[in-house]
Amino acid sequence: DAGVTQSPTHLIKTRGQQVTLRCSPKSGHDTVSWYQQALGQGPQFIFQYYEEEERQRGNFPDRFSGHQFPNYSSELNVNALLLGDSALYLCASSLGLSGEKLFFGSGTQLSVL
Amino acid sequence: DQQVKQNSPSLSVQEGRISILNCDYTNSMFDYFLWYKKYPAEGPTFLISISSIKDKNEDGRFTVFLNKSAKHLSLHIVPSQPGDSAVYFCAALKFTGNQFYFGTGTSLTVIP
Repeated sequence: DAGVTQSPTHLIKTRGQQVTLRCSPKSGHDTVSWYQQALGQGPQFIFQYYEEEERQRGNFPDRFSGHQFPNYSSELNVNALLLGDSALYLCASSLGLSGEKLFFGSGTQLSVL
Repeated sequence: DQQVKQNSPSLSVQEGRISILNCDYTNSMFDYFLWYKKYPAEGPTFLISISSIKDKNEDGRFTVFLNKSAKHLSLHIVPSQPGDSAVYFCAALKFTGNQFYFGTGTSLTVIP
């Protein structure tokens, strides 16, 4: 049973560039959430996708956008990268909008230089 | 505004003893609380959870206690094992909105 998979595992970008991160949810899950974990902090909610629509959004600017595909996989896009966007980006999947448990991928470590 | 707080960044415990990790929250509307464990280079993995209508949940060596009047929960690990060494995150969930709020984590080191 495949868990949550994310790609790439590491990424280095420069300020102003754009980045796309990818996530495949755990088998049987239909809801994907994205979290940003800065160094020394807990995961911060970015947004949640269900039925190919953004359902909830945390306190992140519009530079952060996403997409969910019919097979439930998801992408996180960040435009106009800032140094402060350097973080571990975690994808989590769950079953349904009211899933009580999140299953996390190993994350993508993004470094912005 | 940090709605879930873990005020102890680190904790060291001897193998075999009890580990107690603490978490405080500010929002009385949370419906569910969870603990996640994270090893380096891995994503957080679910450990144990508790509904807001309960005050205790136990799973093997792990017990979570919830004190709603104090807006406080704790995770007890008995006995602690070296493999328990990891960062532990407390999380809270409101079913309406379905957004998880995480604390900043406590790094537990179990000394053999």
